[in-house]
Amino acid sequence: DQQVKQNSPSLSVQEGRISILNCDYTNSMFDYFLWYKKYPAEGPTFLISISSIKDKNEDGRFTVFLNKSAKHLSLHIVPSQPGDSAVYFCAASARIGTGNQFYFGTGTSLTVIP
Amino acid sequence: EPEVTQTPSHQVTQMGQEVILRCVPISNHLYFYWYRQILGQKVEFLVSFYNNEISEKSEIFDDQFSVERPDGSNFTLKIRSTKLEDSAMYFCASSRGTGANVLTFGAGSRLTVL
Repeated sequence: DQQVKQNSPSLSVQEGRISILNCDYTNSMFDYFLWYKKYPAEGPTFLISISSIKDKNEDGRFTVFLNKSAKHLSLHIVPSQPGDSAVYFCAASARIGTGNQFYFGTGTSLTVIP
Repeated sequence: EPEVTQTPSHQVTQMGQEVILRCVPISNHLYFYWYRQILGQKVEFLVSFYNNEISEKSEIFDDQFSVERPDGSNFTLKIRSTKLEDSAMYFCASSRGTGANVLTFGAGSRLTVL
């Protein structure tokens, strides 16, 4: 049961243009959403997050948009840089028992072409 | 910046052997997790741990897996009798607590079962 879905396994963008990575989820109990970036042979690193009570969160070149009615979120990177080339994982969090449980998508591999 | 430390970075073992993967979470974090990623596949949740006990586990986390926090700093994942399909990157993660919080991942331990 894939509760968090990233339907695009890969994306290529020219340097300087906007990268848009998409994520869909099914569980309406999710209350927090995160994006992680992963380079080969490294662990995922936290990039940006958004609470379910918001619809937009911006941090520098990175903006996450949340559309709760559509159960959809997206990550915008503008302008894209070659160093942004990595796998991006969308994650959603829900309160389970005494703590939070995190569910991850399958990832989108972003390639930024110089 | 505090980080999650995992050892070993790579372990090669024979099928049927026991393996212990070690993790040192961030010191003021209370929740601990193990995830794995089989090559080319999604990041999969294995188990979460809080207050010295398992708080949730996935179907993957069967009787051959166990976790413990023996000394208040290390958090270990033991695989009793490894199978070929256990070959994967195993990621340890920790988080501060409930509410809006972030998982911080280690760099991962690559397990190769021959």
